[in-house]
Amino acid sequence: KAGVTQTPRYLIKTRGQQVTLSCSPISGHRSVSWYQQTPGQGLQFLFEYFSETQRNKGNFPGRFSGRQFSNSRSEMNVSTLELGDSALYLCASSSGTPGIKGETQYFGPGTRLLVL
Amino acid sequence: GDSVTQMEGPVTLSEEAFLTINCTYTATGYPSLFWYVQYPGEGLQLLLKATKADDKGSNKGFEATYRKETTSFHLEKGSVQVSDSAVYFCALGVGNTDKLIFGTGTRLQVFP
Repeated sequence: KAGVTQTPRYLIKTRGQQVTLSCSPISGHRSVSWYQQTPGQGLQFLFEYFSETQRNKGNFPGRFSGRQFSNSRSEMNVSTLELGDSALYLCASSSGTPGIKGETQYFGPGTRLLVL
Repeated sequence: GDSVTQMEGPVTLSEEAFLTINCTYTATGYPSLFWYVQYPGEGLQLLLKATKADDKGSNKGFEATYRKETTSFHLEKGSVQVSDSAVYFCALGVGNTDKLIFGTGTRLQVFP
């Protein structure tokens, strides 16, 4: 089974631009979560999607948004980029069965975003 | 709110030494607990997990026991290898969602 894939792997943008990152979950997985990893703040939860609905949201400004498509693929968008948005963005997928505790999440390799 | 506290790194060990990485948590209810590992340039890989008190997770020689009384989930390995060099993250699963709260990570360096 193919793992979680993320595209692009690397991205360079300038302040004020917007960016869209893509995540394809493991086949059959319906839940996709996004995390931001920086040296200063560590790993922080952005949002979780299940069956095209946002199920959970972290404490990030409205510039960060996401969506999930009917095939479970997910995208996240960051508008009006700031220098502090430079980070590794990780996507994770799980089967997402409602009510099941402690499901294993499988992470992709991440997209490294550099904002200049 | 929910949080995870991990020991600061780096942890530097010689091959075959015993490893302990401390992890404590604060949470309402009964969270699931995880250890993830991140090798250079890669994403996170699940190392082990436990979903209820007194559960022991184990994988590749690593073990951790969910201790509710001490709110801890310390990672241990009896004999580390150079290939275990990586960053280890303790994480807490919030309720029945996929949201994970991570500790700051502990870098392990193992020398021959």
